[in-house]
Amino acid sequence: ETGVTQSPTHLIKTRGQQVTLRCSSQSGHNTVSWYQQALGQGPQFIFQYYREEENGRGNFPPRFSGLQFPNYSSELNVNALELDDSALYLCASSFVAGNTEAFFGQGTRLTVV
Amino acid sequence: AQSVTQLGSHVSVSEGALVLLRCNYSSSVPPYLFWYVQYPNQGLQLLLKYTTGATLVKGINGFEAEFKKSETSFHLTKPSAHMSDAAEYFCAVTSNRDDKIIFGKGTRLHILP
Repeated sequence: ETGVTQSPTHLIKTRGQQVTLRCSSQSGHNTVSWYQQALGQGPQFIFQYYREEENGRGNFPPRFSGLQFPNYSSELNVNALELDDSALYLCASSFVAGNTEAFFGQGTRLTVV
Repeated sequence: AQSVTQLGSHVSVSEGALVLLRCNYSSSVPPYLFWYVQYPNQGLQLLLKYTTGATLVKGINGFEAEFKKSETSFHLTKPSAHMSDAAEYFCAVTSNRDDKIIFGKGTRLHILP
């Protein structure tokens, strides 16, 4: 059973709004990665945080931003929502940044209307 | 750069038959390879992984995969399909230098009674 929890599980927002998604990492893990999974696609890497610093970023615009807190939980913020932002957002935590033991949460389903 | 190609977006097998899901990867550095399973409306669960060492990797639920460097493949197999195996399967690649996991587009496995 994964210890990674995400909230909320579902969310509906209007185009142009801002959204914050939250992730609580597994106990003992200091690295959090965020992925976007559009319908019918594999997950796409957004960014990773290691010890509260951004440790890598995928091909996503600056309106996608994040934070990691001292307890290693994390937030994903998306500004100026677009219809194409509708997707399942997945959070993964690991002990180090090498991704060999990444555990995924259940995801947040974001719908932009 | 790394990439993953999964052959067949949908695969159907009869219950009790062999399951074979194909994955080819591209990587300029020694790869770490993974298979994840995703059930409807859920996150990703790690089935198995290859990092170093033995090229035949056994995972959960009776699945296994073989890393073949000469063929740049990491196909997933299970000798006898069960109805509960119906799900989406993702092959993925990373390395010890990377911050991100690169996923394939997924293969939906259908089990026929």
